[in-house]
Amino acid sequence: GAVVSQHPSWVICKSGTSVKIECRSLDFQATTMFWYRQFPKQSLMLMATSNEGSKATYEQGVEKDKFLINHASLTLSTLTVTSAHPEDSSFYICSAKVRWGYGYTFGSGTRLTVV
Amino acid sequence: QQPVQSPQAVILREGEDAVINCSSSKALYSVHWYRQKHGEAPVFLMILLKGGEQKGHEKISASFNEKKQQSSLYLTASQLSYSGTYFCGTERAPFSGGGADGLTFGKGTHLIIQP
Repeated sequence: GAVVSQHPSWVICKSGTSVKIECRSLDFQATTMFWYRQFPKQSLMLMATSNEGSKATYEQGVEKDKFLINHASLTLSTLTVTSAHPEDSSFYICSAKVRWGYGYTFGSGTRLTVV
Repeated sequence: QQPVQSPQAVILREGEDAVINCSSSKALYSVHWYRQKHGEAPVFLMILLKGGEQKGHEKISASFNEKKQQSSLYLTASQLSYSGTYFCGTERAPFSGGGADGLTFGKGTHLIIQP
């Protein structure tokens, strides 16, 4: 089945630093990847859509200058949280869809803690 | 717009049945169901595409009423492994031959199965 690999699984960083999260589709090409954020005991909220070879599209209320997305190849999308602050601490998950009629495959998630 | 899930939480004894509902005020083109265990990424259960469609896998099945903009997930003879948070997710647009659109998730239903 379709596999999405996400790294790192967890990261602790100091306030003001930047953190990069990688998401790779291992056995299929993902022209589009999706980034979600999930705060404790809450639902997953779509942050942005990553498009290979073009600019990402961000959901309303998501700061595009803070959450930089790069989708340089058909198998790799990255999310960089710039100048991270404690309120950015969350569970970040990427996902992709193999084809219509199928569900979305999720990466294993990255737990970001900003101290 | 976020779909509405009910109930918010369910506590069952092993072997009992449960129904989780998902409704939307907007037209639904597909409904996705996922289960998430604490600290893990969501796991795809099933997708329903057409009005009136029903699907099943072992003891988990679902229905989708496109006209009523509702979907229900049925868990029969529940097992301890069914514990977790169940999310329904909806896509914003019908398939147009283009890419995927990402999911808008409900707030989730917490299911606890006791021995």
